[in-house]
Amino acid sequence: AQKITQTQPGMFVQEKEAVTLDCTYDTSDPSYGLFWYKQPSSGEMIFLIYQGSYDQQNATEGRYSLNFQKARKSANLVISASQLGDSAMYFCAMREKGSSNTGKLIFGQGTTLQVKP
Amino acid sequence: ETGVTQTPRHLVMGMTNKKSLKCEQHLGHNAMYWYKQSAKKPLELMFVYSLEERVENNSVPSRFSPECPNSSHLFLHLHTLQPEDSALYLCASSQPGQYNSPLHFGNGTRLTVT
Repeated sequence: AQKITQTQPGMFVQEKEAVTLDCTYDTSDPSYGLFWYKQPSSGEMIFLIYQGSYDQQNATEGRYSLNFQKARKSANLVISASQLGDSAMYFCAMREKGSSNTGKLIFGQGTTLQVKP
Repeated sequence: ETGVTQTPRHLVMGMTNKKSLKCEQHLGHNAMYWYKQSAKKPLELMFVYSLEERVENNSVPSRFSPECPNSSHLFLHLHTLQPEDSALYLCASSQPGQYNSPLHFGNGTRLTVT
């Protein structure tokens, strides 16, 4: 069963506007962590932001924020004031407590974001 | 040098060749990973090494053979590959036990099997 679902294969946003990338997850583990990564065309995976399942507040890192709705099992990434350099593929990922010994992440299919000038 | 370094960046090999992918991390992490990224698919975890011991092998065909001689180096030995093995192979490292510790990735090796 798919544990991480990103339903938007591709998104467009106008430069300087905000965009939300969707992510839903499925786990029976009460302890888990959610991560977002950016992958430019060069291929490198760049870590953006982390949200823990017990965190009371939504995570923020600069222009990135996470809209965490635990009851809905969603962890959407919000990018404010989009820039041309934000054009990339974005991946949502999860680490369950049961994987704490390995630290492995399970990834979604990704969303391609294109920022229009 | 810092971070995670993968070599080569690009590799083209025939189905009968033998080649190796190399990964080196300078972050002092205890765990290293190989992921495969095919077009239009999620990243697939192949292998996990923790403290140089293989702790996970996700039903990967035997034509892929990992090696972790120490906590800083990880190899993926390739032999008699198939065209469907063409993909981006990503190496990563992390510090297990630190729950919010992200995986740090290298730039990947783009492999083409002809």
